[in-house]
Amino acid sequence: QVQLQESGPGLVKPSQTLSLTCTVSGGSISSGSHFWTWIRQPAGKGLEWIGRIYTSGSTNYNPSLRSRVTISVDRSRNQFSLNLTSVTAADTGVYFCARDPPRGIDAFNIWGQGTMVTVSS
Amino acid sequence: SYVLTQPPSVSVAPGQTARITCGGKNIGSKSVHWYQQKPGQAPVLVVYDDSDRPSGIPERFSGSNSGNTATLTITRVEAGDEADYYCQVWDNNSDHFYVFGTGTKVTVL
Repeated sequence: QVQLQESGPGLVKPSQTLSLTCTVSGGSISSGSHFWTWIRQPAGKGLEWIGRIYTSGSTNYNPSLRSRVTISVDRSRNQFSLNLTSVTAADTGVYFCARDPPRGIDAFNIWGQGTMVTVSS
Repeated sequence: SYVLTQPPSVSVAPGQTARITCGGKNIGSKSVHWYQQKPGQAPVLVVYDDSDRPSGIPERFSGSNSGNTATLTITRVEAGDEADYYCQVWDNNSDHFYVFGTGTKVTVL
């Protein structure tokens, strides 16, 4: 059974780059046809889709974040990563990695536990 | 971009039925998915494609979708159902792709 685990710094300074990694276990990131996704949630607020990377390596990003976001995959490590540049306090929140089910269902049935990131000097 | 509106809160007594709505323009033409999120935890998919349940989700959770409103229904509510619930759709008319609802806090009285 595929499991996801986020990792990365819990504190990032304003104007710097937030970098997180999601490690995939129980299966290969290269197998099947899946979208590997990042979602975030500011404290006490709702969920926001950040972007996704397909098994093939193609990416899509939320237009509101597109100028600052890069998602990449490291197949040798079975990981995918999120880089968010020029962060501000508004980027503080819990960051989740997630994956869609088989058969092209556009939902998320596998989630990491989430990692809290605080943007502060 | 597409907007999904949910009531901020719903209160229900144990054993009763909770209905959580998700409003969106012509949402009946889209596939709606629902997530349950308990404090400090990741969301869990409880209904997908309007009314299907992932394995392991009790039959007490069901969904429907028509017109401008989708609904998640929880029958025989238990204390453990107290959580935030989010609807979500794929917005194929814009490049926002995945859109989440505003979220509903379900309180079990």
